[in-house]
Parts: sequence; structure tokens; C-alpha cells
Amino acid sequence: EAGVAQSPRYKIIEKRQSVAFWCNPISGHATLYWYQQILGQGPKLLIQFQNNGVVDDSQLPKDRFSAERLKGVDSTLKIQPAKLEDSAVYLCASSLGASGGGDTQYFGPGTRLTVL
Amino acid sequence: AQKVTQAQTEISVVEKEDVTLDCVYETRDTTYYLFWYKQPPSGELVFLIRRNSFDEQNEISGRYSWNFQKSTSSFNFTITASQVVDSAVYFCALRKTSEKLVFGKGTKLTVNP
Repeated sequence: EAGVAQSPRYKIIEKRQSVAFWCNPISGHATLYWYQQILGQGPKLLIQFQNNGVVDDSQLPKDRFSAERLKGVDSTLKIQPAKLEDSAVYLCASSLGASGGGDTQYFGPGTRLTVL
Repeated sequence: AQKVTQAQTEISVVEKEDVTLDCVYETRDTTYYLFWYKQPPSGELVFLIRRNSFDEQNEISGRYSWNFQKSTSSFNFTITASQVVDSAVYFCALRKTSEKLVFGKGTKLTVNP
């Protein structure tokens, strides 16, 4: 079974530019997550989708970050305009979407973003 | 609020040594889930184990074992006879029902040949 796919793996941009990341979850997984992982820290949830609806985006900086999952499958995360502090690894994860907290999340390889 | 503390920032061992990674969590809920993930240099987080708060049985999987103790709010991870391929950052995480997964800051394990 294929895992979570993400692209690109690496991206270098200058501040104030825009960037987009793509994620394709494990087939059949209803829930999709985007995390930001700053060097030396654990991942922090940015947004959670259940099918194509947003469940939690409380930690998404909505003035510059946006995400969509239009058909309930793959998803795009965009940053516009980027700031230096956005340099991080952006991880996508997916899970079956079972109720309760025990739903295991499976992660993709991440996109390492460097903002100069 | 939920919180996960991994007090060990970095650990270095020699191959074949046993090593224990500590995880202490805070939650007021009686129902919650604990996880361990491994993040090798490639960057992908690899799921290792999930444990719910009602199951305090320790678990062993090959060279890996987990010790869950609700009395001390700890969920420690032991690698027996460590190998170079075990070198990675290991994250402990906590999730209450229908809430976000909260990660610790991770422990970087280096296994030297």
C-alpha cells in the first residue's frame, strides 16, 4: 500500500514570495493533516480536514497560510507571502478518520522550506 | 491542557547497548492515547506504537519495548541491543478524544558503531 506522498521535497524561496505544497494521502483515509515542524521541535498541527471539510484550523496563520482539499482526497497548502520564520518542514499526515483520539496518523516525507 | 515532556534532548550510545527514552505527559482526562514516532534523517515520521489510557500492559516488539505507568504519567520506550539504524529522533505524543495530537520536543538518539 502506498504511503502519504508529498511534493516538492525541498523548496528555497525569498521572503515575500509565495509557495505551495501538495499532499496525497493514503487511499481511503478520510482525515488529512498539515503540520509545521521547526528545527528542534515536535510537529505542530496547522490544519485538519475530514473529507473536504475543515475540522481544526485554530493554529493556522490565516493571514498568510491557506489550505484546501477540494475533492476530499489530495490537498494543497499555500503560504503567501512567506516570512523568514516560515522556514520549517511541512508534514502531511492522513488517518482513517475513526472517531475518538485513537486514530493513528501516518506521515509523508515532508517538504523542507527555506525562506531567505 | 495537554503536555508532553521528553527531558532527554540527545542521547548517545554505543551499538548493542540498551537505551531508554523517557516520556512524561500531562492531561486531566481519563481517556487518551499515547504514541511513539521515529523520525530518521530522511525526515518521515514513522509510527511505532499506540496505547490507550485503559491498557497499561507493557508491550514488546522485537528489540523495542514500552513501559506505560499511569501512576507516574510516563510512557517510556526502551531499545534493547541498539543498532546504528536506530539512530533517529524519537517523538512521544498525546491525544485526547477528538483533539489534536500534541508532540514532545523529541529525543535525538545516536548509536555509534
